[in-house]
Amino acid sequence: DTAVSQTPKYLVTQMGNDKSIKCEQNLGHDTMYWYKQDSKKFLKIMFSYNNKELIINETVPNRFSPKSPDKAHLNLHINSLELGDSAVYFCASSQEGVRRTQYFGPGTRLLVL
Amino acid sequence: GQNIDQPTEMTATEGAIVQINCTYQTSGFNGLFWYQQHAGEAPTFLSYNVLDGLEEKGRFSSFLSRSKGYSYLLLKELQMKDSASYLCAVWGFNKFYFGSGTKLNVKP
Repeated sequence: DTAVSQTPKYLVTQMGNDKSIKCEQNLGHDTMYWYKQDSKKFLKIMFSYNNKELIINETVPNRFSPKSPDKAHLNLHINSLELGDSAVYFCASSQEGVRRTQYFGPGTRLLVL
Repeated sequence: GQNIDQPTEMTATEGAIVQINCTYQTSGFNGLFWYQQHAGEAPTFLSYNVLDGLEEKGRFSSFLSRSKGYSYLLLKELQMKDSASYLCAVWGFNKFYFGSGTKLNVKP
């Protein structure tokens, strides 16, 4: 009964490769997010999707592209991976409204060699 | 620009009370959140304040002063399992801003 799930949990890959991280939520929320947490533990928002529309697009390299096939899924595709992309990537979801409490997935630990 | 400040690290004793402060300057304000994050795990929601005052929830309380751009998280009767990072986050103009987190060490 996982509310927000991500796959894979761990991802080790070579520089220059292309990889995808998948996220699914079964909470019926209408907004999903991708965050990057670096080695200093600073959490930074990357993207947000509301009803399949991109509503936030922070200044991240265009090598990163979010893809949302439906309201319950928001995948993150990364082209030409670089060493600096190594981090933990968290997916989260929330419901439009006053509270907007975000529920996080378990995270994907990406290591680029 | 947007700015959220929290102390980097704090240490407290089991059974004691600790207050973690957060100051913010953001574009727009629609609420302030506190999250707990244990090492190697995802953040989990603790509290939400949108109006000034104190919100109490068991051993945890959160306070907000919008005019001062200030919040604190109060943890009572500290337990060893409270050792974690505590993140302050502000919902601004359709964006979430997170502080860098306060690492709390609870000692016996």
